[in-house]
Amino acid sequence: ILNVEQSPQSLHVQEGDSTNFTCSFPSSNFYALHWYRWETAKSPEALFVMTLNGDEKKKGRISATLNTKEGYSYLYIKGSQPEDSATYLCANTNAGKSTFGDGTTLTVKP
Amino acid sequence: GAVVSQHPSRVICKSGTSVKIECRSLDFQATTMFWYRQFPKQSLMLMATSNEGSKATYEQGVEKDKFLINHASLTLSTLTVTSAHPEDSSFYICSAREGTASNEKLLFGSGTQLSVL
Repeated sequence: ILNVEQSPQSLHVQEGDSTNFTCSFPSSNFYALHWYRWETAKSPEALFVMTLNGDEKKKGRISATLNTKEGYSYLYIKGSQPEDSATYLCANTNAGKSTFGDGTTLTVKP
Repeated sequence: GAVVSQHPSRVICKSGTSVKIECRSLDFQATTMFWYRQFPKQSLMLMATSNEGSKATYEQGVEKDKFLINHASLTLSTLTVTSAHPEDSSFYICSAREGTASNEKLLFGSGTQLSVL
């Protein structure tokens, strides 16, 4: 993997479902992994910053894990709510310069 | 709290005109800001790194004479798209580093949608 890749591109779930998506990055060129939530017409909001292999972070119903050796991070949302609908971006960031994935757009249907 | 304010949110202009986009850091000082461009269904692509009081650093393939960046103060960076053409139509967004090394994060503006007719 040469760049940051996210999958799936989009996801539709029902309210209450739990979901997860993937961010892949070159393990040989890793600095820090950032996750953002980007709602339409708003600024991307920082969710997590992870740097160490095995890191796990949690914020309410959202959590993330990091595997730097194999080059991936998972973002989990437990019990999705309509307000979780957004595009979730991940980025490999070095001194503020970020390489972003294309994002996963999540739609949670009531 | 610390936020990045970006204006305007949307610009429609005629081909050949220049457009200035401003990003201001509120409640914090931003020595470094980053400018990104996003085409439809693509990822945010870093265009340049804006440093207060010095010249911006442009990424490969980004024309510095086309995209003029000025970072004259610790709270304001501007991106001017000079002699805009339809191919410059895109979404432009800035970000700034906030916090110390141990808890640094990137704060983003809300973006500017540029449409060149």
